Amino acid sequence: QQPVQSPQAVILREGEDAVINCSSSKALYSVHWYRQKHGEAPVFLMILLKGGEQKGHDKISASFNEKKQQSSLYLTASQLSYSGTYFCGTKGSNSGYALNFGKGTSLLVTP
Amino acid sequence: DSGVTQTPKHLITATGQRVTLRCSPRSGDLSVYWYQQSLDQGLQFLIQYYNGEERAKGNILERFSAQQFPDLHSELNLSSLELGDSALYFCASSAGQGIPTGELFFGEGSRLTVL
Repeated sequence: QQPVQSPQAVILREGEDAVINCSSSKALYSVHWYRQKHGEAPVFLMILLKGGEQKGHDKISASFNEKKQQSSLYLTASQLSYSGTYFCGTKGSNSGYALNFGKGTSLLVTP
Repeated sequence: DSGVTQTPKHLITATGQRVTLRCSPRSGDLSVYWYQQSLDQGLQFLIQYYNGEERAKGNILERFSAQQFPDLHSELNLSSLELGDSALYFCASSAGQGIPTGELFFGEGSRLTVL
């Protein structure tokens, strides 16, 4: 089951904040965030395993609301290097080993 | 460099043809995953192998098949190709047999163009 990401695209000025949301219609075991720069492979950012868990990676953090089957990725004081497409991947409680990704959120940070 | 190697990087072929994409996982990784990336669908999970055995299957068409060999490299076979099969095909590997705590390491992808 493919998770739904919103928004589809965001344009920011350097230093601004952004939130990317990921939701699923099914119960989730974990949420995984990846970033893909243009022409490159997706690169791992973080995994959230428990409901309510929040993790941080430099100025990028995420939360996971297990009850709502949602996760949010927070990018604060955005830098030019944050530009790329962000994917959330979800593993359902009963979906075996499959990690299903959303369609992605394109983020462009401008000077 | 993720350590995952995919060949070929680019492939152009005609409808109805068959192609094979190859993936070598990171040294020591036993799990291999195949994903298809198209503009409108994002990253679509196709199939996963762990130590030679199929572990999970996603939206993989019957015209597609995959296998993982004893040396752990994997091949994705695409046959009776259609225009809609044009996409970027990623291979990823991870250390464990499942997903829960496993980071996926992606290769640079094989771009398939079907004319």
